[in-house]
Amino acid sequence: DSGVTQTPKHLITATGQRVTLRCSPRSGDLSVYWYQQSLDQGLQFLIQYYNGEERAKGNILERFSAQQFPDLHSELNLSSLELGDSALYFCASSPKGGSEQFFGPGTRLTVL
Amino acid sequence: AQSVTQLGSHVSVSEGALVLLRCNYSSSVPPYLFWYVQYPNQGLQLLLKYTSAATLVKGINGFEAEFKKSETSFHLTKPSAHMSDAAEYFCAVRPSLFSGGYNKLIFGAGTRLAVHP
Repeated sequence: DSGVTQTPKHLITATGQRVTLRCSPRSGDLSVYWYQQSLDQGLQFLIQYYNGEERAKGNILERFSAQQFPDLHSELNLSSLELGDSALYFCASSPKGGSEQFFGPGTRLTVL
Repeated sequence: AQSVTQLGSHVSVSEGALVLLRCNYSSSVPPYLFWYVQYPNQGLQLLLKYTSAATLVKGINGFEAEFKKSETSFHLTKPSAHMSDAAEYFCAVRPSLFSGGYNKLIFGAGTRLAVHP
């Protein structure tokens, strides 16, 4: 158990819908990262937040957005969902000054 | 741009045999390097990391990896495979502070390790 929690574990929805994925980092970690894992793209970095502020952006679509709240939990919002958005979405956190990232168990999103 | 190449999407070994999973990275400045393992239906677990302190890095579950700058490689090894090692293994690079995008991890495509009796 990495200490990073993600909810829900599974999510099944329809095209065009909007969903919210939630992540709680390890106690004391200020950085939260979101990654997408799909069969065709592999593991791709989406976005990073540090202590409530966006720090880095990767291959995140405009239909996707994220935020980190004062209690440091983070939410990834996916809207206008398409079949191709079906994937595993991972959240990771890292300690201040630390190089490694600790991953949560992921949320499996299925878009029908 | 930084990249990670894992040679062999599938590797199969016998129980008790040597495990060798290959990883090469592209970087003009030595980065941080990591190996993660993903068991079925689970998240990624950190096996080990290289952060320039020592070229031979020991990790959990008997795995180790050697950083070779001249070969830009960071191969993962384990002397004796166990059935429980069957999983997918990912090599990842975190660019240095002097490169762009040091906040993120760049992953290889992964190598699925099968261990047979």
